[in-house]
Amino acid sequence: KQEVTQIPAALSVPEGENLVLNCSFTDSAIYNLQWFRQDPGKGLTSLLLIQSSQREQTSGRLNASLDKSSGRSTLYIAASQPGDSATYLCAVRYNQGGKLIFGQGTELSVKP
Amino acid sequence: EAQVTQNPRYLITVTGKKLTVTCSQNMNHEYMSWYRQDPGLGLRQIYYSMNVEVTDKGDVPEGYKVSRKEKRNFPLILESPSPNQTSLYFCASTFKGGGNYGYTFGSGTRLTVV
Repeated sequence: KQEVTQIPAALSVPEGENLVLNCSFTDSAIYNLQWFRQDPGKGLTSLLLIQSSQREQTSGRLNASLDKSSGRSTLYIAASQPGDSATYLCAVRYNQGGKLIFGQGTELSVKP
Repeated sequence: EAQVTQNPRYLITVTGKKLTVTCSQNMNHEYMSWYRQDPGLGLRQIYYSMNVEVTDKGDVPEGYKVSRKEKRNFPLILESPSPNQTSLYFCASTFKGGGNYGYTFGSGTRLTVV
């Protein structure tokens, strides 16, 4: 069964810290992987997409890596800010027409 | 602006009263999907469509219907809503080809069935 797991479920850090969010998936034959941000009760905002052939993607203070052989992706957030507080979701797509399989998310709180 | 638009954003209804949640995208995407999000269960796919007049069931299709008569629109229909369909609903779309395309999500519809 294709499953996506995110650890930790919740994380609280002081402002300015660099942090890593983890995502693991059981089937390594992925099509692509997306990281989303969700504010409470709001929609999903796409942060980064990594294609199956890529190892990492960067956008501003965010860097996402992909290691298919180990079934893992990480989202690195540099110099965290209170505005980064949100739930971060990892989603894996296994084929061209495929659905996204989501992890349960990591709820991040960045304290001033 | 490229976007997926859902309406309404909030809806409170009574058990058994038919309702439709609309979804429209302006990006000429072939693929469209509906998801529901529930505490502890995460996001689960309800139905999806790979093109006009092509739809199929996702993981939790019971109690829902969809149609895809036009490429841009993908409404979600609840013919006889029940309280267990109280949830946060999202519509999403993407292009058919290439792993470099990700899904774009709507802002969500919070449905309460009493």
